[in-house]
Amino acid sequence: AQKITQTQPGMFVQEKEAVTLDCTYDTSDPSYGLFWYKQPSSGEMIFLIYQGSYDQQNATEGRYSLNFQKARKSANLVISASQLGDSAMYFCAMREGQTGANNLFFGTGTRLTVIP
Amino acid sequence: DGGITQSPKYLFRKEGQNVTLSCEQNLNHDAMYWYRQDPGQGLRLIYYSQIVNDFQKGDIAEGYSVSREKKESFPLTVTSAQKNPTAFYLCASSHRQLAKNIQYFGAGTRLSVL
Repeated sequence: AQKITQTQPGMFVQEKEAVTLDCTYDTSDPSYGLFWYKQPSSGEMIFLIYQGSYDQQNATEGRYSLNFQKARKSANLVISASQLGDSAMYFCAMREGQTGANNLFFGTGTRLTVIP
Repeated sequence: DGGITQSPKYLFRKEGQNVTLSCEQNLNHDAMYWYRQDPGQGLRLIYYSQIVNDFQKGDIAEGYSVSREKKESFPLTVTSAQKNPTAFYLCASSHRQLAKNIQYFGAGTRLSVL
């Protein structure tokens, strides 16, 4: 089974609007971390936001917030007030186990296009 | 500026040739990682290293080799045994002792076969 599933290959959003990118995960480990990365056309992976499995509140970083629904095993990324520079690939990833664990499992990504 | 430097940006390999991708970080991170990305796919882990002189295979290590002689450096060699090396290669590093253990990435190397 896929550890991370991103079901939206592509999404469009109007500039200044909010958009939600979906991510579901699969793990039996009670301790895990969830990450979102942005990959512009240049190729570099840019870290956006992190949510730990024991975190009580949804993570927020500026215009990015993570809608964490533990029972549904979903970790959707919400981008508010979209900007043209937000056009990129977005990847959801998960680390299982304790902090020292190493492997990140990535989804296949969602290509976001912001329309002027 | 602190960061992760990958070189070269583009690399071409001839049949039967080994090539080495460079990854250097000045973030004082203990752990380093190599990932491969194919078109339309997410990243897959090739190798990782938690400390100097120690490294472990990831999910797709066959045809690759690494070394970790210095904390700052984690070069990846794509050997002739890797029959489908054309991909985008990303190096990352992290501070494992921190609670989030966030992996930060370099700009990548795009490898093609001539």
